[in-house]
Amino acid sequence: DGGITQSPKYLFRKEGQNVTLSCEQNLNHDAMYWYRQDPGQGLRLIYYSQIVNDFQKGDIAEGYSVSREKKESFPLTVTSAQKNPTAFYLCASSFLTSSEQYFGPGTRLTVT
Amino acid sequence: GESVGLHLPTLSVQEGDNSIINCAYSNSASDYFIWYKQESGKGPQFIIDIRSNMDKRQGQRVTVLLNKTVKHLSLQIAATQPGDSAVYFCAENIGQAGTALIFGKGTTLSVSS
Repeated sequence: DGGITQSPKYLFRKEGQNVTLSCEQNLNHDAMYWYRQDPGQGLRLIYYSQIVNDFQKGDIAEGYSVSREKKESFPLTVTSAQKNPTAFYLCASSFLTSSEQYFGPGTRLTVT
Repeated sequence: GESVGLHLPTLSVQEGDNSIINCAYSNSASDYFIWYKQESGKGPQFIIDIRSNMDKRQGQRVTVLLNKTVKHLSLQIAATQPGDSAVYFCAENIGQAGTALIFGKGTTLSVSS
């Protein structure tokens, strides 16, 4: 089956630790995105990447880092500098010629 | 800043009724709009999209209307079913394809049988 996978579904960390969220797609999409969703809110863009080894900051990039070493993978690291890391994190992907984005199932991160 | 917003945070309907979910946008340069459905604890699913050169587009039980004069977008769901209960987001693309979407805050649709 083609699609986007995110792992794990739930993640718990202690404050002060860095944590990396996985996102993989086998849709042959060029672009990949990370969004953050807080309760009762819409999605806010953290980072996106249109091509391997290149990425751009979104609206709320502070405290996060990404890499794009492979077309299929776009991991997100939530660093200890992120002041409010507890949230639902969504990864998406699309073709460069299309605005339709396909979403993964999300990772719920809880930091205590 | 410019953003996509929704008129109502919640909408409650009876099974079988038609539902209308509204969205206002502020960027007249937006050329693509999309509606997503998000069930609890899951990622958003594509419902329907529309380009700015159209004013109406129909799918299976869903219709999207775009009024560029007043910068308004709506999603109509015919014969609403309990399985339609979810949060619905509108989103716009103000840049090129392959750039990020801007999302509204969402409307929670509750369908009672």
